[in-house]
Amino acid sequence: DAGVTQSPTHLIKTRGQQVTLRCSPKSGHDTVSWYQQALGQGPQFIFQYYEEEERQRGNFPDRFSGHQFPNYSSELNVNALLLGDSALYLCASSQGREPNSPLHFGNGTRLTVT
Amino acid sequence: GNSVTQMEGPVTLSEEAFLTINCTYTATGYPSLFWYVQYPGEGLQLLLKATKADDKGSNKGFEATYRKETTSFHLEKGSVQVSDSAVYFCALSVRTNAGKSTFGDGTTLTVKP
Repeated sequence: DAGVTQSPTHLIKTRGQQVTLRCSPKSGHDTVSWYQQALGQGPQFIFQYYEEEERQRGNFPDRFSGHQFPNYSSELNVNALLLGDSALYLCASSQGREPNSPLHFGNGTRLTVT
Repeated sequence: GNSVTQMEGPVTLSEEAFLTINCTYTATGYPSLFWYVQYPGEGLQLLLKATKADDKGSNKGFEATYRKETTSFHLEKGSVQVSDSAVYFCALSVRTNAGKSTFGDGTTLTVKP
């Protein structure tokens, strides 16, 4: 039973460019959440997708956008990259929108913006 | 808003020592509380959870009790092992914001033989 998979594992981009990160949720999960984890800090919630719609959003600018596909996989897009966007981006999946359902995390995509 | 505060680290212990990592929270509504662990080179994984006041979550010898009166969820283990070396994150989610978990900044634990 595959867990949450993310691609790519590492990425280097230049300031001003655009990036797309991908996530496949754990089998049986229909909800995908994205988090940004800066070095030495805890994950910060970006947004959550359920039934192919953005359901919740954290305090991130519109440069951060996403999509969920019918097979529940998801993409995170970041436009006009800034140096401060350098971080580990984590995808987490869960079942439904039940708050007691724990999150299952992928290993993350390490984004470096130069 | 919701927030989680963890004791600052890093924490270094000798094998078989007693571990406590403090976690306090503020939340609107009635949160569920979680401890996640991140082993070196791996993603975050759930360690334990508690969904209502006075519940005790436990797993792999770790325990934490949901204390509503002190808004705390401290992580404890009676005898740590070298393999427990990792980063530990306290987190909460609230029913009115399903799936939007709030995390603390993490506590790095190093256990020396």
